[in-house]
Amino acid sequence: AQSVTQPDIHITVSEGASLELRCNYSYGATPYLFWYVQSPGQGLQLLLKYFSGDTLVQGIKGFEAEFKRSQSSFNLRKPSVHWSDAAEYFCAVGEASGTYKYIFGTGTRLKVLA
Amino acid sequence: DAGVIQSPRHEVTEMGQEVTLRCKPISGHDYLFWYRQTMMRGLELLIYFNNNVPIDDSGMPEDRFSAKMPNASFSTLKIQPSEPRDSAVYFCASRGGAFAEAFFGQGTRLTVV
Repeated sequence: AQSVTQPDIHITVSEGASLELRCNYSYGATPYLFWYVQSPGQGLQLLLKYFSGDTLVQGIKGFEAEFKRSQSSFNLRKPSVHWSDAAEYFCAVGEASGTYKYIFGTGTRLKVLA
Repeated sequence: DAGVIQSPRHEVTEMGQEVTLRCKPISGHDYLFWYRQTMMRGLELLIYFNNNVPIDDSGMPEDRFSAKMPNASFSTLKIQPSEPRDSAVYFCASRGGAFAEAFFGQGTRLTVV
């Protein structure tokens, strides 16, 4: 069965600093991968997704993520964080066959200092 | 499209009562998911449907939980009887196809006292 690990529960960065949120997955075949963001009291919104092709994926709000098969990672990055990026971020892995279900990581809560 | 619509947004109920959460997926989407979010356990997949048929209910915590999807535009998650440990935010999500992204509703915050 697939699984997702987000090793950082909380991350604090200063506004304008760069950001990298880590995500490691476990899946026997080529996965499809997602990053979602959740603002307080809201549902989850898709930031970006990887299915195949270019391993560097661009998303909304200036985010990007890189798929590294050798490291089983799909880390999320942003070159310059804005105060409005404070939220919780979830990585998810989907099965490319079988049940096609998604499994989410436990999330990383981002705090941005002014 | 208005997105995935969940009702109610908030529910407070007494232990032992029946609770029904409702979800209207995005029109045309053939997958529907129910998730539960808590501080301790994060986002857990409870059950999901494909073309109104339950595919995987292995995440349903116990027999007190049941879910139905009588047609393509409506699903319910029922807890009977409810217990305080069921307090959580319950999300419904839908997607159009096996390889598409999921769209989430705003969630139902359930408090069982």
